Amino acid sequence: DVKVTQSSRYLVKRTGEKVFLECVQDMDHENMFWYRQDPGLGLRLIYFSYDVKMKEKGDIPEGYSVSREKKERFSLILESASTNQTSMYLCASSLRSGNEQFFGPGTRLTVL
Amino acid sequence: DAKTTQPPSMDCAEGRAANLPCNHSTISGNEYVYWYRQIHSQGPQYIIHGLKNNETNEMASLIITEDRKSSTLILPHATLRDTAVYYCIVRAYSGAGSYQLTFGKGTKLSVIP
Repeated sequence: DVKVTQSSRYLVKRTGEKVFLECVQDMDHENMFWYRQDPGLGLRLIYFSYDVKMKEKGDIPEGYSVSREKKERFSLILESASTNQTSMYLCASSLRSGNEQFFGPGTRLTVL
Repeated sequence: DAKTTQPPSMDCAEGRAANLPCNHSTISGNEYVYWYRQIHSQGPQYIIHGLKNNETNEMASLIITEDRKSSTLILPHATLRDTAVYYCIVRAYSGAGSYQLTFGKGTKLSVIP
């Protein structure tokens, strides 16, 4: 079974802090994705990566950056966390373009 | 991108078939229909996908109309563990070698004992 793991289930940070969210997949998938999920807004794509060191902006990249130095790991970075970045963050991976996406359990981030 | 329309909520009696509709009237010829579900406090889970033909796997069946403007996800014998939000998604190509999934608000399915 594909396993996508995220570094934390719950995280509390202060405004202005730099935040790293880590995602690891163990099935040699090419594509990895970061979404955020907010009540009433559904899932929104922040960034995705289709290869090591490659990244593409999703629908809401502002305030975020990403890093993919190794195939199995995709990191989401909040350079200076703000309260409007309080959300559930979901990581996903897929074998290749067009294949189904497998999601991690999510990280609930609260920025105070 | 083709958009989808789903009812916000549905109830289903335990043991009965759950039929979840989705309208995607602007779908283009090369776009697939995907279904995911999200159980409370978990990440979304892939269920099934199809292009033109009906599809079945161990979780569900997907019925796509001949004109492809709508589809129905069928859970043949719903259990309490099937209570979740179900998302119907039309897969769009976003360039750069990857396909983007756009999640709408989905249908909240409640399976009643």
